[in-house]
Amino acid sequence: NAGVTQTPKFQVLKTGQSMTLQCAQDMNHNSMYWYRQDPGMGLRLIYYSASEGTTDKGEVPNGYNVSRLNKREFSLRLESAAPSQTSVYFCASSIPGTGEETQYFGPGTRLLVL
Amino acid sequence: QKEVEQDPGPLSVPEGAIVSLNCTYSNSAFQYFMWYRQYSRKGPELLMYTYSSGNKEDGRFTAQVDKSSKYISLFIRDSQPSDSATYLCAMSEGYGNNRLAFGKGNQVVVIP
Repeated sequence: NAGVTQTPKFQVLKTGQSMTLQCAQDMNHNSMYWYRQDPGMGLRLIYYSASEGTTDKGEVPNGYNVSRLNKREFSLRLESAAPSQTSVYFCASSIPGTGEETQYFGPGTRLLVL
Repeated sequence: QKEVEQDPGPLSVPEGAIVSLNCTYSNSAFQYFMWYRQYSRKGPELLMYTYSSGNKEDGRFTAQVDKSSKYISLFIRDSQPSDSATYLCAMSEGYGNNRLAFGKGNQVVVIP
């Protein structure tokens, strides 16, 4: 089992460029999440998907869009990147309601917007 | 007031010492409590998981939850240089709502 995988590992963008961050999990989890992690701010939820076909906004959704492509894959899109979106992005997955109320994280994507 | 408070100040300890970390929270509906460990430039990995109040021990690690005081702790005994990492507390309400509320994390450095 690879767990949660993310691509790319690192990306540099210019202001205004767009890109999609990819996430896949092979644990048959229903729920998937996108976070950003910034120094002094901790992990902040951008979007989540409770199940295939549904997505909901988290704490900091502005400037982002998501697609739950199927049960395995959840992508995060920056349509017009801004320097404020420089961050480390983590994808996570979980199975809620099973008594195992925790999340498993991918290795992260480091994004630098110039 | 943030839902979860964790003093983010770095902590340096000598090898073999006991490391004590804690978080406080305001949401009395939280039922599930976790500690994640995050090494530099890596994703968070689940370290300890506790349901409701009580203690849980796993090797050198002990997690404590006091729901009456809304306070959770993590103790690391006989700390090793390999324990040097950032430790994040997290908690959720459960019952199908497992959106996690995170603390900001504590950076721990164990000095050989």
